[in-house]
Amino acid sequence: GAGVSQSPSNKVTEKGKDVELRCDPISGHTALYWYRQSLGQGLEFLIYFQGNSAPDKSGLPSDRFSAERTGGSVSTLTIQRTQQEDSAVYLCASTVWGTGAYEQYFGPGTRLTVT
Amino acid sequence: SQKIEQNSEALNIQEGKTATLTCNYTNYSPAYLQWYRQDPGRGPVFLLLIRENEKEKRKERLKVTFDTTLKQSLFHITASQPADSATYLCALGSGAGSYQLTFGKGTKLSVIP
Repeated sequence: GAGVSQSPSNKVTEKGKDVELRCDPISGHTALYWYRQSLGQGLEFLIYFQGNSAPDKSGLPSDRFSAERTGGSVSTLTIQRTQQEDSAVYLCASTVWGTGAYEQYFGPGTRLTVT
Repeated sequence: SQKIEQNSEALNIQEGKTATLTCNYTNYSPAYLQWYRQDPGRGPVFLLLIRENEKEKRKERLKVTFDTTLKQSLFHITASQPADSATYLCALGSGAGSYQLTFGKGTKLSVIP
């Protein structure tokens, strides 16, 4: 079956522009996560959605970052007024909450380069 | 603050040998620990999960141990192959009611033919 998909795979943008990154989770997965991975760094948690509950935004680095999840499925991560330090790979993951395993299924990521 | 350390950034090993990767943590009481594999340009792929009350888990050529006293997990790949070359990440979870994983920076394993 289809895995987690993300688009675009690569995005180059000028400093100060806004960008939108999209994530399509595995069908039926109720939980969705966004992470950021910078060169030589571990995965940095950004935001978490679970069903209809309010998202956990505790990992968002600044108010320039926001995310939505529509209809409990597709999610969009928006970065406003991009800065060079926003350059990283943005990864989305989904899982079935309640199974007890909590293994996460990752998409291929979007590589964002801010020039 | 919580800290996760993976023993080295890079590990080179001869084909056929056993690769051992280490994950140490401090200021954390995880209910479970996971290991992921990440290939260049791809997202991490789940390999194994071990819970705090389990000492060892095996899956084919993979073995994971979890010592909550030492605050350490060891990840072994036996009879290593060049195709095992990748970055391996450990991730800790707090348990029921907590949905977050905290990831280490990873160890890049190279298996030399």
